[in-house]
Amino acid sequence: KAGVTQTPRYLIKTRGQQVTLSCSPISGHRSVSWYQQTPGQGLQFLFEYFSETQRNKGNFPGRFSGRQFSNSRSEMNVSTLELGDSALYLCASSLLGGGQETQYFGPGTRLLVL
Amino acid sequence: GDSVTQMEGPVTLSEEAFLTINCTYTATGYPSLFWYVQYPGEGLQLLLKATKADDKGSNKGFEATYRKETTSFHLEKGSVQVSDSAVYFCALSDPFTGANSKLTFGKGITLSVRP
Repeated sequence: KAGVTQTPRYLIKTRGQQVTLSCSPISGHRSVSWYQQTPGQGLQFLFEYFSETQRNKGNFPGRFSGRQFSNSRSEMNVSTLELGDSALYLCASSLLGGGQETQYFGPGTRLLVL
Repeated sequence: GDSVTQMEGPVTLSEEAFLTINCTYTATGYPSLFWYVQYPGEGLQLLLKATKADDKGSNKGFEATYRKETTSFHLEKGSVQVSDSAVYFCALSDPFTGANSKLTFGKGITLSVRP
């Protein structure tokens, strides 16, 4: 079974631009979560999507948004990029996002904002 | 709010040494606890988990026990290998819903094992 895939793997943008990252979950998984990883703040939860609906949200500004499609693939978008948005963005999938399930992480998209 | 505190790193050990990585947590409910490992250039992999107090998670020689009285989940391995070199993260689930899809992570600690 293929793992979680994320595209692109690397991205360079400039301040003020916007960016869209994509995540394809493991086949059959309906819950997709996104995390931001930075050296200063560590790993922080952005949001979770389940059945095309945002089910949980972390403490990030509205510039960070996401969506999920009917095939469970998810995208996250960051508008008006700031230097501090440079990070590794990880997505994770699980069957239903429930308490006994394991989250499987993708390799991440590394975003550099210049 | 909920939080996870890991010991400061990095940690450097010789092969076959004993490993302990400390993790304590603060949570208002009853979370599940996890250890994830991140190898260079890769995403996170679940190493082990425990879902309730006194549970012991174990995998690949690593162990951790969910200690509610000390709010701790320390990771141990009796004999580390060079291949264990990675970054280790302690994490907890949403303590109210129990959902593992919303995890709170510690800062992570880099382990280097020299031959």
